[in-house]
Amino acid sequence: EIVLTQSPATLSLSPGERATLSCRASQSVTNYLAWYQQKPGQAPKLLIYDAFNRATGIPARFSGSGSGTDFTLIISSLEPEDSAVYYCQQRGNWPPITFGQGTRLEIK
Amino acid sequence: QVQLVESGGGVVQPGRSLRLSCAASGYSFSDYGMHWVRQAPGKGLEWVSVISDGGRNRYYADSVKGRFTISRDISKNTLYLQMNSLRVEDTAVYYCVKDYRVDSTSGILEYWGQGTLVTVSS
Repeated sequence: EIVLTQSPATLSLSPGERATLSCRASQSVTNYLAWYQQKPGQAPKLLIYDAFNRATGIPARFSGSGSGTDFTLIISSLEPEDSAVYYCQQRGNWPPITFGQGTRLEIK
Repeated sequence: QVQLVESGGGVVQPGRSLRLSCAASGYSFSDYGMHWVRQAPGKGLEWVSVISDGGRNRYYADSVKGRFTISRDISKNTLYLQMNSLRVEDTAVYYCVKDYRVDSTSGILEYWGQGTLVTVSS
């Protein structure tokens, strides 16, 4: 089973700043890495799939990069509504699908 | 638009059974694989199971293998999760999730329902 490790665990930034979230896989997942956003009391929402493809309706300030074992989600200019927990997920070697433990992003 | 509505959650004693349902609408249900993903209170996401678009292929997380069964009824546009021999550690919100790709099961979790809470407690 592929283990995904996200860093940092928590991030606190101000509106307009740039957020950089990392996800590292225990072995290569090629580019089969997705990112999800989960706000309190809500279901997760697909943001990015296959490392860099934005899902339908996702603003351009969200971007993904990486391949192999190291991946990054960048939110270029933070808005208050970006406050959420962000999860990475791999489908490079599944089943099982596995998730990272999440990064909590707080907007000051 | 895609809608996924889970039901069937509740409080159940350890060792008992429960069946979750997920009513799908707004797309061609028979053309897409479907997943169950769960989230224990205050914890992260755990993938549980997947069923292919045609229903022929089914896979499970090791933690539920042999106890849970995923199925689908195309005529009712409904996904199911039969959960037997429930354990305290199965306590979670269970999400029904539509796969991204048509006529295949990609592992990209495109649309999520709002979830149904299962509490296993004596």
